[in-house]
Amino acid sequence: EVQLLESGGGLVQSGGSLRLSCAASGFTFISYALSWVRQAPGKGLEWVSAISGSGSSTYYADSVKGRFTMSRDNSKDTVYLQMNSLGVEDTAIYYCAKRSGSNEGHFDSWGQGTLVTVSS
Amino acid sequence: EIVLTQSPATLSLSPGERATLSCRASQSLNNYLAWYQQKPGQAPRLLIHDASNRATGIPARFSGSGSGTDLTLTISSLEPEDFAVYYCQQSNSWPLTFGGGTKVEI
Repeated sequence: EVQLLESGGGLVQSGGSLRLSCAASGFTFISYALSWVRQAPGKGLEWVSAISGSGSSTYYADSVKGRFTMSRDNSKDTVYLQMNSLGVEDTAIYYCAKRSGSNEGHFDSWGQGTLVTVSS
Repeated sequence: EIVLTQSPATLSLSPGERATLSCRASQSLNNYLAWYQQKPGQAPRLLIHDASNRATGIPARFSGSGSGTDLTLTISSLEPEDFAVYYCQQSNSWPLTFGGGTKVEI
């Protein structure tokens, strides 16, 4: 069974930084791309970033480009999201989602999310 | 960026009725479209991928259809547990995008 467990969320002041982690199990980690998807309170889903299975390719939404960095450690079956220069608009639940391919595809499994709150 | 427009925003129906949800894209998706269901306090769940393929364990009352820029999710006969928010999402090109969602309410 695929499991994705996010951690690292919390309360941070505007301009601060936070690093999220997503520990994966139940599948061959290096074979699949992963993404972060966020959801602001009462709003819809917003794709944030993606990383290929090998880690050689990363992609970002314009709203976070230059501030967020996604990485993965294939020896630990874990992906990370380093978030810098946080603003109140980054307040959201951040979900880790597994893609169906090594660098493509839909999101076939999701974690339960971790809440990031940015205060002004 | 491919913009996905979902309609209607809210669908008010009764158990047993048929639900038809629309997702219109600003460019062709080459069938790289998925549908997700989200209930309050829960993570999204994959229902349909590649426009018309049901995900593992998804009941047959859920079906996806359409092609190009006009895609549809149909729930043939609503069960009480189907009242939720539904999102479409494209993986045809970067950036990946989601529609704004359709809430199916009683």
